[in-house]
Amino acid sequence: GIQVEQSPPDLILQEGANSTLRCNFSDSVNNLQWFHQNPWGQLINLFYIPSGTKQNGRLSATTVATERYSLLYISSSQTTDSGVYFCAVLRSNYQLIWGAGTKLIIKP
Amino acid sequence: NAGVTQTPKFQVLKTGQSMTLQCAQDMNHEYMSWYRQDPGMGLRLIHYSVGAGITDQGEVPNGYNVSRSTTEDFPLRLLSAAPSQTSVYFCASSYGRAGYEQYFGPGTRLTVT
Repeated sequence: GIQVEQSPPDLILQEGANSTLRCNFSDSVNNLQWFHQNPWGQLINLFYIPSGTKQNGRLSATTVATERYSLLYISSSQTTDSGVYFCAVLRSNYQLIWGAGTKLIIKP
Repeated sequence: NAGVTQTPKFQVLKTGQSMTLQCAQDMNHEYMSWYRQDPGMGLRLIHYSVGAGITDQGEVPNGYNVSRSTTEDFPLRLLSAAPSQTSVYFCASSYGRAGYEQYFGPGTRLTVT
């Protein structure tokens, strides 16, 4: 089946720093999503990005489907960006396969 | 709009007990799913439904049952709880298929002793 690997597993940054999170996947996919899980456990969808680049405020994402990776960029980090960032790829119309996540800690 | 709601928030069971985790959404979403999240791992799909009366298995369905009698509700039943089912359970819904934006409930933290 499809394997999804995220790196780094952990990242600690000072407020104001920029970061890049990576998601590699083992097979061609039609869909890739990025999610944020805040320290209280709530999961929020950040991007639906099967290919190309999208931006939402300080966050942007790029997926290069032909090379089987996606990148999530966070600029000017804030403490509220802390949490775990997951990518997930669509195995079929109905099943998302998730990576293990990158745990991000932003220090004030 | 309440979005996706889950009850209870916390539950402790003894091995062998059964229980039902409740999930409801008020967005008229066709697709609903249950995931479990274990420490250091991503979410794993237990069961999903593409509409009332239609359910199917995900990656880790053993020990769990689901039904979908209405569009709004998608309960998850643990038949005979085992310590390996200690986890955080999330319910999610979306319009259409899994590829659309997923909306998640707040989760249920289950401990089986």
